[in-house]
Amino acid sequence: QKEVEQNSGPLSVPEGAIASLNCTYSDRGSQSFFWYRQYSGKSPELIMSIYSNGDKEDGRFTAQLNKASQYVSLLIRDSQPSDSATYLCAVKKTGNQFYFGTGTSLTVIP
Amino acid sequence: GAVVSQHPSRVICKSGTSVKIECRSLDFQATTMFWYRQFPKKSLMLMATSNEGSKATYEQGVEKDKFLINHASLTLSTLTVTSAHPEDSSFYICSARGLGLTNTEAFFGQGTRLTVV
Repeated sequence: QKEVEQNSGPLSVPEGAIASLNCTYSDRGSQSFFWYRQYSGKSPELIMSIYSNGDKEDGRFTAQLNKASQYVSLLIRDSQPSDSATYLCAVKKTGNQFYFGTGTSLTVIP
Repeated sequence: GAVVSQHPSRVICKSGTSVKIECRSLDFQATTMFWYRQFPKKSLMLMATSNEGSKATYEQGVEKDKFLINHASLTLSTLTVTSAHPEDSSFYICSARGLGLTNTEAFFGQGTRLTVV
């Protein structure tokens, strides 16, 4: 079983729509969860972190965490073409390591 | 966010030679550094975790004698790919976390594109 699983996509949404990205994790003891954005050929960039159950909003981004279901999601409102990228879900386990999902490729169509 | 600088950004080397990649934290002390590799259109694969002043912890399947990691100071970690082969060609990325950051965030270097010919 993979540590972190994501739907690889590709996911396409029209400009202005809501993009929904999902992630599940296997270690129930995980405490910290992150969403990174990676443009082609570039390094990942941290966009959201969430540590407790519920929603966390930052501008157009909302992260949602449900520890009972071992599920974390990212919503992008009013999607823009510049949001087109691969989105990586990352989980910090009870030790020190970060584990990443395979990433979901998002394309926002103008 | 915090700044992590990785050098070089691109390197081409001959098969059988060794290549060193540096990862520096510029505005914080990195108590922990992580090294990843990423193949095209694939996710990041954690290779090893290093804590300053101690030996790196390698993930299963990663050869520690081939991928030498040194984390001798709080601002610098190096990854040396020894006796490189074409199958070692990949995108290598470091990330760091430590003092002065929130307790769990990690920030990435720019990555190093290694091509072994």
